[in-house]
Parts: sequence; C-alpha cells; structure tokens
Amino acid sequence: DQQVKQNSPSLSVQEGRISILNCDYTNSMFDYFLWYKKYPAEGPTFLISISSIKDKNEDGRFTVFLNKSAKHLSLHIVPSQPGDSAVYFCAVEPSGGGATNKLIFGTGTLLAVQP
Amino acid sequence: DVKVTQSSRYLVKRTGEKVFLECVQDMDHENMFWYRQDPGLGLRLIYFSYDVKMKEKGDIPEGYSVSREKKERFSLILESASTNQTSMYLCASSSYLAGADTQYFGPGTRLTVL
Repeated sequence: DQQVKQNSPSLSVQEGRISILNCDYTNSMFDYFLWYKKYPAEGPTFLISISSIKDKNEDGRFTVFLNKSAKHLSLHIVPSQPGDSAVYFCAVEPSGGGATNKLIFGTGTLLAVQP
Repeated sequence: DVKVTQSSRYLVKRTGEKVFLECVQDMDHENMFWYRQDPGLGLRLIYFSYDVKMKEKGDIPEGYSVSREKKERFSLILESASTNQTSMYLCASSSYLAGADTQYFGPGTRLTVL
C-alpha cells in the first residue's frame, strides 16, 4: 500500500523554464515533507523540506508547496538548469516517529533538463 | 564533511549465497537505515536501527537481517540470496537531535544475484 505516490515517472523540461514535480500522499499524520535528489551512482541528497504547519518554503531556485486539503506536495524549480537533471524523491516523516527520523519515500520522478 | 560509506559499489552473487553489505558512518549518528531502490517502487525501508544492538523492521524485511554491534557500523545480511533481491541497496544515517532532513546516504551497492 503506497502511502506516497509520484504519478509521473519522468519529466522533460527546457533549460530556463519551470520544472514542476508532484507528489500525493494518502495519510494526514505526517510532520514533515521533504524532497531528495539523486544522481546516478550516488546516494540521494536532501534538497528542501516543509513543515506540516506551513504551505510554502523557498530556497533559491527551489520552492516546495504543500496543499494539505488535497494531500498534495509539489516542487518548483525556476529556472531549470541541465545540472538539475536527476531523480527526485518526495518523502514524508510520520507523526509520532519520535527520534528515529524514519521516512517514507515516493517512487521517484526522473527530471531531464534539455539545454 | 559528513560521510557514509558502503563496502562495495558493485557485487555479483549466486543464488543461495550468504551476502553481507556493510555501511559505516563517521558522524556519530544514532539512527541508521537500509533501503533498496527499484524502478517504479522508489526507496523502500528494509530495516533501521536507533541504537547499538537495537533494530526494527521496515516495510520489506523478509529475507534480510541486520547487525549493529558498533554505533558507526550497520550491516545488512541476506541469509540466502535470491534473484528477486537483485537491487540497489542504500544505507543512510541520521541524528535524532537534528530532524528528518539530516538523513545522509551512502553511494549505494548494486547487487546482482544470478
């Protein structure tokens, strides 16, 4: 039972345009929502997060939006650069997880930014 | 600079072999995790450990066991490897003081079971 879904396995965007990656979840008991980025042959690295009490968080070219009523999370990258080409995973931290920092990851979206 | 290392980048084993995947972190983190990454399925948690000798099952523990005898080292064991365990295995660690965004990953081990 997949609690976190990324319905687009891949996305292709032109350099300089906006990339929008989407994530849906099926449970409301999450404290934090995160995005990780993964290049081939490397482990995922943390990109940006948002608390469940907020609806927007911005860090440079990256903005994460949280729509709790729709149970939807999105990542906007503006402007997109070829170096952004990677697999992006959304992840959620369940409430009540205590100090274990356990995360539930989505299925991933492969972003290709064309020069 | 934080570091999580995994013993092998690529590994080829035969069905029925016992396989050990090692992970070492140098950040004095309490929590360590083992995931597998498969196309279309994302990252799935196999086991995690929140302290030395402590472990908890993740979402897909069947066919795996773990060992954490020292704080910096977390081992994943495939008691009898099967072809459906061919996958990318990722180790991660985090500090329970710092929050969820500080889960640091190793480079991964690509395991092929023939």
